[in-house]
Amino acid sequence: EVQLVESGGGLVQFGRSLTLSCAVSGFTFEDYAMHWVRQVPGKGLEWVSGISWNSYIIGYGDSVKGRFTISRDNAKNSLYLQMNSLRAEDTALYFCAKDFRDILTGRFDNWGQGTLVTVSS
Amino acid sequence: DIQMTQSPSSLSASVGDRVTITCQASQDIRKYLNWYQQKPGKAPKLLIYDASNLETGVPSRFSGSGSGTDFIFTISSLQPEDIATYYCQQYDNLPLTFGGGTKVEIK
Repeated sequence: EVQLVESGGGLVQFGRSLTLSCAVSGFTFEDYAMHWVRQVPGKGLEWVSGISWNSYIIGYGDSVKGRFTISRDNAKNSLYLQMNSLRAEDTALYFCAKDFRDILTGRFDNWGQGTLVTVSS
Repeated sequence: DIQMTQSPSSLSASVGDRVTITCQASQDIRKYLNWYQQKPGKAPKLLIYDASNLETGVPSRFSGSGSGTDFIFTISSLQPEDIATYYCQQYDNLPLTFGGGTKVEIK
């Protein structure tokens, strides 16, 4: 069974940093691209970032470009999101999502349950 | 960035009704459109990919059509378990973008 479990969320002050993690199991992690998608509670979905299987191809949404960094450790079956210079508008539930291929296709075939990040002044 | 305009933003229908949601892209995205279902408190679930292909295990009452800029998602016979918010998402270009969502309720 495919499982994606996010962690690292919490309450953080405006301007500070936070790192999210996503631990996966049930599939060969190194064979697939991965993504972060976020959702403000009660609102819609926003793609944050994606990374190919070998980390060669990386993309970011406009609102996080230059502040967030995605990475992965295939040996640890883990995906990360380093978030710097956090703003109030970064407050959201952050989902880890698996791509159906090794490159960034954007088809998310499995999702975690999310980890909540709250940015407070 | 490609803007995805989804309508309606909400709808109420009776069990057994045919439900239709539209999604319009701000530019040609060919067939690269997904539809997701999100139930309250849950993660989204992929239902349709490449505009019209049913994901494995998804009931056949769900379907999708369209290409280019205009797409349609249909539930042929609404069931109580279909209460959810539905999102379209383009993956022709980065950044990937979602429609605003359609909340489906039972009348």
